[in-house]
Amino acid sequence: QVQLKESGPGLVAPSQSLSITCTVSGFSLTSYGVHWVRQPPGKGLEWLGVIWAGGSTNYNSALMSRLSISKDNSKSQVFLKMNSLQTDDTAMYYCARGEITKRDFDYWGQGTTLTVSS
Amino acid sequence: ENVLTQSPAIMSASPGEKVTMTCRASSSVSSSYLHWYQQKSGASPKLWIYSTSNLASGVPARFSGSGSGTSYSLTISSVEAEDAATYYCQQYSGYPWTFGGGTKLEIK
Repeated sequence: QVQLKESGPGLVAPSQSLSITCTVSGFSLTSYGVHWVRQPPGKGLEWLGVIWAGGSTNYNSALMSRLSISKDNSKSQVFLKMNSLQTDDTAMYYCARGEITKRDFDYWGQGTTLTVSS
Repeated sequence: ENVLTQSPAIMSASPGEKVTMTCRASSSVSSSYLHWYQQKSGASPKLWIYSTSNLASGVPARFSGSGSGTSYSLTISSVEAEDAATYYCQQYSGYPWTFGGGTKLEIK
């Protein structure tokens, strides 16, 4: 079945960078896009960006200068990198499969918590 | 950016009641690209209703969705205790994808 699982550092100091990995199974990254979405504690959902099956990317313009999404199709992994972290980047980070015809997120990972603190 | 505004932010209902929550967009959205997610406390969101009115796999038939243009709604015909959750609408009408702020449904 379709599964996505995020893994990340948990705690990062302000001004540092982070890398989160999304490992997928049950589908191919050459057929589906993968999005990143975050959710600060007690708040709503924010779309960060997407890497499409062909490898092209699109980012939320508000975060574009700090974000990078890449993938390794052979390892079924997608990577989110964000630099210059601040305390308001503290959130749960989710990867989600993108359904291209309906433009929805049909499967989500369990999420990985990131805390930005000194 | 197409801003989605959900109302009410919080609602409370007794089992068996009919409830409706709304999602209004700042610009028109194709009904094909307006979706709803259910998120229970401590869990990740789940696709609940896609393309305005289509129930995702496993979603009970008491849920329904409707709308067009800038106004959409999610209705539960007879609320059950298991429906307690936050519901988010989401749209695509060009980048960025956006979500509404959510409606938290509490069961009395």
